[in-house]
This record gives sequence, C-alpha cells and structure tokens, in this order.
Amino acid sequence: GDSVTQMEGPVTLSEEAFLTINCTYTATGYPSLFWYVQYPGEGLQLLLKATKADDKGSNKGFEATYRKETTSFHLEKGSVQVSDSAVYFCALSDPLSTLTFGKGTMLLVSP
Amino acid sequence: EAQVTQNPRYLITVTGKKLTVTCSQNMNHEYMSWYRQDPGLGLRQIYYSMNVEVTDKGDVPEGYKVSRKEKRNFPLILESPSPNQTSLYFCASSSWTSGVGDTQYFGPGTRLTVL
Repeated sequence: GDSVTQMEGPVTLSEEAFLTINCTYTATGYPSLFWYVQYPGEGLQLLLKATKADDKGSNKGFEATYRKETTSFHLEKGSVQVSDSAVYFCALSDPLSTLTFGKGTMLLVSP
Repeated sequence: EAQVTQNPRYLITVTGKKLTVTCSQNMNHEYMSWYRQDPGLGLRQIYYSMNVEVTDKGDVPEGYKVSRKEKRNFPLILESPSPNQTSLYFCASSSWTSGVGDTQYFGPGTRLTVL
C-alpha cells in the first residue's frame, strides 16, 4: 500500500535559519503530494501541493518539488520565523482522494 | 465563509455510553472523511464517503460507524466507546475530481476522552 515517511522531530531552529524537512513516499500509481501544517490547538491546513513530477509547490516562503526519480517531496524554507512553529505533515493522495499521511514533524523556532 | 465544523470540540465520556460527533461542511463537497490523530502515529483514516449514501472503511474503522444521508453532514458514531478510542478526531472534505488529488479541508478537531 501507499506510505509516507518523514523525518522525526522535533526540529529546533533559531529564527532566520534554513529549514529542510525530508519526506519520501511509496505509491503504486502517480499520486499528488501535499504538505499540511497544524498550528497548536488547530486543525490541519494545506500549506502547498504538487500534482505531477517536477512540479514545485510554494506558499508563504515554503516550497517543495515533486521528485519522481527519488520519490521525495522535501519541504524547504530559506528563513524561518517563530510563527512557523507547528507540526508539518507530508501526505499523498491516490486517485480516490484518500490521503495517506506521514507521522508529522514538529518544528520549534526560537527567537 | 467556507468551512468544516465539528461538534463538540471537547468531550469526556465513560466506557459504553454511545456518542455522536457531528461534522458539517458548507462547500458542497462530495468527499468527506474522518481521521484520528494519536501521538507517534500521525493521522489515520477511519471512514470516508464519496457521496450521499456511499461510505467505505479507512485504515482503522473498528468501533466506529458513519452515515451520509445528506451531502453536507457526515456524523461519526461510537456505539460503545472504549478507552482506546481516546484521541483527537478530525473531519475533512474535498471536491471530487477523478484522477486528481484534491485539497482536503479540515475541521478544528474534537478531543475525545473515554474513561
């Protein structure tokens, strides 16, 4: 079955540091890939997505590129802020729109 | 405002006492789904529905029931809750476009404690 593996956290960074959260996937077909973010006490919200190979999703300074050859969708941001502290979930969607999530990576950004 | 609402947001109950968590969306979405979130396990799908009167099991359906009598509502029913169902529950919805990954919109979550 489909699966998503993302790096374990927490990831602890200082403000303005560079962020990478690794995500790799296993899927039989050609899934769409997503990053969702969960701020403390809230539900998940879409951060960015890519629907086919080599697509780059971007939003709020975050970006991720759909790499079919390495089955990866790593999340990056050039300069993190304290307000980026949250849990980040990598996910893939099969043609039935069923989402398979990674276990989440907590990001803690200190001033 | 486009949104998914869940009620209640917090619930403490006792083993065996039937409960229902409601979920409603105002975006005319065909697809709706329930997830539970547990530490170290991420989000796991309980049930999903492609449209009215069409439901199917997700990864962890045991101990749960759902119904989809109206397009906007997708209640989650625990007939006889047990402590291992203590969790954070999320409802989500999306439009349905065959073969394309559609963004799912999540409700704010329901924190359930079963004593």
